[in-house]
Amino acid sequence: NAGVTQTPKFQVLKTGQSMTLQCAQDMNHEYMSWYRQDPGMGLRLIHYSVGAGITDQGEVPNGYNVSRSTTEDFPLRLLSAAPSQTSVYFCASSRTSGGKGTEAFFGQGTRLTVV
Amino acid sequence: AQTVTQSQPEMSVQEAETVTLSCTYDTSESDYYLFWYKQPPSRQMILVIRQEAYKQQNATENRFSVNFQKAAKSFSLKISDSQLGDAAMYFCAYTGANSKLTFGKGITLSVRP
Repeated sequence: NAGVTQTPKFQVLKTGQSMTLQCAQDMNHEYMSWYRQDPGMGLRLIHYSVGAGITDQGEVPNGYNVSRSTTEDFPLRLLSAAPSQTSVYFCASSRTSGGKGTEAFFGQGTRLTVV
Repeated sequence: AQTVTQSQPEMSVQEAETVTLSCTYDTSESDYYLFWYKQPPSRQMILVIRQEAYKQQNATENRFSVNFQKAAKSFSLKISDSQLGDAAMYFCAYTGANSKLTFGKGITLSVRP
């Protein structure tokens, strides 16, 4: 039972480079999301998806793209990395119950440094 | 929009003592979930406890319990018999009809031996 698998764990990018953070879940959850964690800011929602083919923006979407072609996968793309995107990134998935979301299961996180 | 507030950035507790972490939230929904997540230095997000809004009974998980005051929109976490392994950052979180998880800014808990 893998849960949520997120790769890589660490990454260093140069300003202007692009990359994709991978996220996969094997729990058949409808809802998947990406967060960034910065000191003193908690976790802030970047993008989310309520099912395959459906994505939407969260609180801090600028500079990031997502797609959801399958229920299992939800990659996050950094288009042109900037130092302001230095952060820890988390992928999460959850199911819905009784018309509302339930607890989220998280990947192990990616520490990204943009130099 | 829902908001979650954790006003204390840091707390400290003596080993074996009890500590309470505070959280308040704001919502217009009547049916939702509240959670406490623990983040140790390994950075893994671990679910500690959850509370459904329509359940009046406070949730408990071993040494962890909550004081859920729906009218006051308050959701505090009590850790009894604190252990060194409880040292971590703790996040209060909310989710409702749109399934979005909204987090507080977190509190760093240290445990003194």
